[in-house]
Amino acid sequence: GIQVEQSPPDLILQEGANSTLRCNFSDSVNNLQWFHQNPWGQLINLFYIPSGTKQNGRLSATTVATERYSLLYISSSQTTDSGVYFCAVLPLDSNNDMRFGAGTRLTVKP
Amino acid sequence: DTAVSQTPKYLVTQMGNDKSIKCEQNLGHDTMYWYKQDSKKFLKIMFSYNNKELIINETVPNRFSPKSPDKAHLNLHINSLELGDSAVYFCASSQANFRDSLLPQYFGPGTRLTVT
Repeated sequence: GIQVEQSPPDLILQEGANSTLRCNFSDSVNNLQWFHQNPWGQLINLFYIPSGTKQNGRLSATTVATERYSLLYISSSQTTDSGVYFCAVLPLDSNNDMRFGAGTRLTVKP
Repeated sequence: DTAVSQTPKYLVTQMGNDKSIKCEQNLGHDTMYWYKQDSKKFLKIMFSYNNKELIINETVPNRFSPKSPDKAHLNLHINSLELGDSAVYFCASSQANFRDSLLPQYFGPGTRLTVT
């Protein structure tokens, strides 16, 4: 089956710093999403981005489907950005079977 | 208004018991899902329902059974609970498009199940 790899697994930042999270996937996909799981466990849908670039405030994401990767950019990080960021993909040959990466755990220190 | 809601938020029970987790979405979505998140935060899909029909079923034990009384609800029943069932269970929903590619999934707040 498809492999979804996220890097780095852990990231510690000082408040105000910028960061880039990466998601590589091993096969073509129909759908890609980025989620943020906050320290209280809530999963928040950040971007639906099977291709192209999107921006929402301090966050932006780019997916290059032909090269099988996606990037999540966080600018001017805040302590509330802490949590785990998941990339999830829907393989082309899948029947609604979203596959999640292992996540990047981000800690933003004040 | 909560888009995807789950109850209960916490569930502590003993081995061998039968329990249910309820999920409701008010987004008008066609498809609903159950995910299991283990202690290492790894998320794995368990089931999905589209218009009251089970369309995928991962290799989960048959002690787990999803039940969908209508398009807005997908409940998860678990029989004969085991220690290894302890996890956080997330419900989600999405609207499928004409190519069967999923539009964004929206997640509920999760139910933390602890089996003692």
